[in-house]
Amino acid sequence: ETGVTQSPTHLIKTRGQQVTLRCSSQSGHNTVSWYQQALGQGPQFIFQYYREEENGRGNFPPRFSGLQFPNYSSELNVNALELDDSALYLCASSSSGGIHEQYFGPGTRLTVT
Amino acid sequence: AQSVTQPDIHITVSEGASLELRCNYSYGATPYLFWYVQSPGQGLQLLLKYFSGDTLVQGIKGFEAEFKRSQSSFNLRKPSVHWSDAAEYFCAVGAQKDYKLSFGAGTTVTVRA
Repeated sequence: ETGVTQSPTHLIKTRGQQVTLRCSSQSGHNTVSWYQQALGQGPQFIFQYYREEENGRGNFPPRFSGLQFPNYSSELNVNALELDDSALYLCASSSSGGIHEQYFGPGTRLTVT
Repeated sequence: AQSVTQPDIHITVSEGASLELRCNYSYGATPYLFWYVQSPGQGLQLLLKYFSGDTLVQGIKGFEAEFKRSQSSFNLRKPSVHWSDAAEYFCAVGAQKDYKLSFGAGTTVTVRA
């Protein structure tokens, strides 16, 4: 059984640029949630995708957007990057929409300069 | 809105000693509660969860947690700590018909020889 994978591992971008982060969910899981973890803080919920539809969204601006594909993998897109977007971005998959056991990937470390 | 408080930012414990990490939550209905562990540079690993039933739950790596509704707490314990338990620990709360986990700020555990 393959766990949750994320790519890339690390990324450096310049303020104002756009970035796409990718996540492959665990085998058998149809739900992907994205979280932002700033240094020294707990993860903050960005949004969840369930069967290719956005199932819920946290307190993040519209420049944070996402997609889920038929194979249940997912992308997180961030436009007009700001310095405060520097963080570890975590993807978690689960077997159904809503609150269930969420299994996290290793994360993508984004640095915005 | 649900929230989680982890009162201890940093705990140092001797190897072989017992460990208890505190977690207090705020939520109007019966919460779903989780403990995750994060090693440096890694994603989150689920230690244990509480949905309903027996208020004392067993998890992986010898950890257990007790749900106390009257105190709005879900404290994590381990009888004898190993050096490999040094990590950051996060408590999280969700709701049955919700889609997001709300995390505490985390407790860093240092294990001394």
